Amino acid sequence: DVKVTQSSRYLVKRTGEKVFLECVQDMDHENMFWYRQDPGLGLRLIYFSYDVKMKEKGDIPEGYSVSREKKERFSLILESASTNQTSMYLCAGGRGLGYGYTFGSGTRLTVV
Amino acid sequence: QKEVEQNSGPLSVPEGAIASLNCTYSDRGSQSFFWYRQYSGKSPELIMSIYSNGDKEDGRFTAQLNKASQYVSLLIRDSQPSDSATYLCAVGARDDGLTFGKGTHLIIQP
Repeated sequence: DVKVTQSSRYLVKRTGEKVFLECVQDMDHENMFWYRQDPGLGLRLIYFSYDVKMKEKGDIPEGYSVSREKKERFSLILESASTNQTSMYLCAGGRGLGYGYTFGSGTRLTVV
Repeated sequence: QKEVEQNSGPLSVPEGAIASLNCTYSDRGSQSFFWYRQYSGKSPELIMSIYSNGDKEDGRFTAQLNKASQYVSLLIRDSQPSDSATYLCAVGARDDGLTFGKGTHLIIQP
């Protein structure tokens, strides 16, 4: 099974800072995703990628960007953090829709 | 906009009974259907997948799919207190990510 690792479990950042959230998967899988999870709103897709240098917008991409320079690493970037980006961020990866996706342990980001 | 609907609960079930969780989805082009379990403070864990109409069983879990009715369900037999969690229904079409329901909070009463 694929293992998805998110580098930080908790982060506290200041408004206006540029924030990088890192995600690494240990298999040679193409598909990787970034979600955020908020009480009452559930999991919402921010960005996804199914190849190096490739990215696609999800349902709520505003205020975010992503980078995928290597197949195993998919980074989420908050260009200028705002308090409404305080959330749990979850990275997922896997071989494809026919196999399901595995989540990392999540990064709880607080923007103050 | 693709939507996945679940009853938020809480759904309370006695230990040893069958827990029945339901989900409806809006996109008729959906191809893959998943159930994830999420314990409080943890990330979602994939427990079941189903791709064709009918039932799929794995241990105490049975997933049911009815594409004509756009309906997915999860049955948990012989419910245990350790099954207490939030269960997320997820639906996918092509490889553009999964759309999740907001989850059903399940409580198994000892």
